[in-house]
Amino acid sequence: KAGVTQTPRYLIKTRGQQVTLSCSPISGHRSVSWYQQTPGQGLQFLFEYFSETQRNKGNFPGRFSGRQFSNSRSEMNVSTLELGDSALYLCASKANQGSYEQYFGPGTRLTVT
Amino acid sequence: DAKTTQPTSMDCAEGRAANLPCNHSTISGNEYVYWYRQIHSQGPQYIIHGLKNNETNEMASLIITEDRKSSTLILPHATLRDTAVYYCIVDPSNTGKLIFGQGTTLQVKP
Repeated sequence: KAGVTQTPRYLIKTRGQQVTLSCSPISGHRSVSWYQQTPGQGLQFLFEYFSETQRNKGNFPGRFSGRQFSNSRSEMNVSTLELGDSALYLCASKANQGSYEQYFGPGTRLTVT
Repeated sequence: DAKTTQPTSMDCAEGRAANLPCNHSTISGNEYVYWYRQIHSQGPQYIIHGLKNNETNEMASLIITEDRKSSTLILPHATLRDTAVYYCIVDPSNTGKLIFGQGTTLQVKP
């Protein structure tokens, strides 16, 4: 099976712009989670989607949003970008909401200038 | 969510066993212990998980103390490719919400 794929892999945006990142989970996986990784804060959970519904949410401002489509693909959106949003954004999938193992993608490196 | 404490860094000689400790003294009865690792510039990789019993898979062994307040991840024959940051995580269920700490940077040396 192909692994979790994320597009784009690298992105440069300007403050105030918005950005949409995409994640395709492993085929058959229905749960998708998003994480932000920065040198200062480490890996932080953003949100989890299952069957097109947000099941868990981390402690991030409303500028961060996401959605999941019927084919389990997921997107996350960040509006009004700030310099501090520069980070590696990681997507992880697992088979079902009750599954134990999460499989992570390679991430999207976002740089905000 | 229970918090974990791990050493910041550890060294291990190639071919030897790497034993990575983790303290989770406030763990609840329904919380699982997970281990993930992150090799530089890659996404984290699942290694193993357990609740009460010791567990072993093709990658590693997980030893959980009887009181469940600590655990040890064992890589039986460390290789240079095992150099990574290792995260010990406790989770109240098997949700997709993992709380990562700072982890242990394991350096495997020739």
